[in-house]
Amino acid sequence: AQKVTQAQTEISVVEKEDVTLDCVYETRDTTYYLFWYKQPPSGELVFLIRRNSFDEQNEISGRYSWNFQKSTSSFNFTITASQVVDSAVYFCALSEAQAGTALIFGKGTTLSVSS
Amino acid sequence: GAVVSQHPSWVICKSGTSVKIECRSLDFQATTMFWYRQFPKQSLMLMATSNEGSKATYEQGVEKDKFLINHASLTLSTLTVTSAHPEDSSFYICSARENQGNYGYTFGSGTRLTVV
Repeated sequence: AQKVTQAQTEISVVEKEDVTLDCVYETRDTTYYLFWYKQPPSGELVFLIRRNSFDEQNEISGRYSWNFQKSTSSFNFTITASQVVDSAVYFCALSEAQAGTALIFGKGTTLSVSS
Repeated sequence: GAVVSQHPSWVICKSGTSVKIECRSLDFQATTMFWYRQFPKQSLMLMATSNEGSKATYEQGVEKDKFLINHASLTLSTLTVTSAHPEDSSFYICSARENQGNYGYTFGSGTRLTVV
């Protein structure tokens, strides 16, 4: 069975601090996709990144970076120099590669950035 | 990019009435759509997988007679909450997966249902 664990329920930081959100996943599939989404108070899900299981390269997009390590089944997300606008709930999610399969979400991490 | 339109954004209804939520893929065909429910401060829980032209597949613990799903076309899936009760108050969000290309998931903006 597939499972996504986000052990950090809530994180509070002060602006300009770096923060890492942890994500550990479980799957028996050899081909799968990992995602990160941001959910601001409005509720709408904002897509951040998708990674397939064959691509372990770390990725950087502005202040955001992701570290994918298959050896530890982790897909961690780091925000550098956090800003108040980064305050939201962040979800890590997993899906099989097969068409027609749903995303399975972790429980989410609530990030609060204060000024 | 792919867009999924979900309506209404919010709805308030009386106990015992039914509410229909629509989810449309605007610029792509979605053989499969997914319905999630999210209670306050909780994660998105998959309720059901909606397949065009066939019956939906419900997750364990989700009452199929209460949450009616219809996926009559490649661009429209509807979720009807029948005989709503206050405990059905939640945030409902749909998702469609593209049938080709990068097979990405696109989410609707969600519907906040309040049953009074």
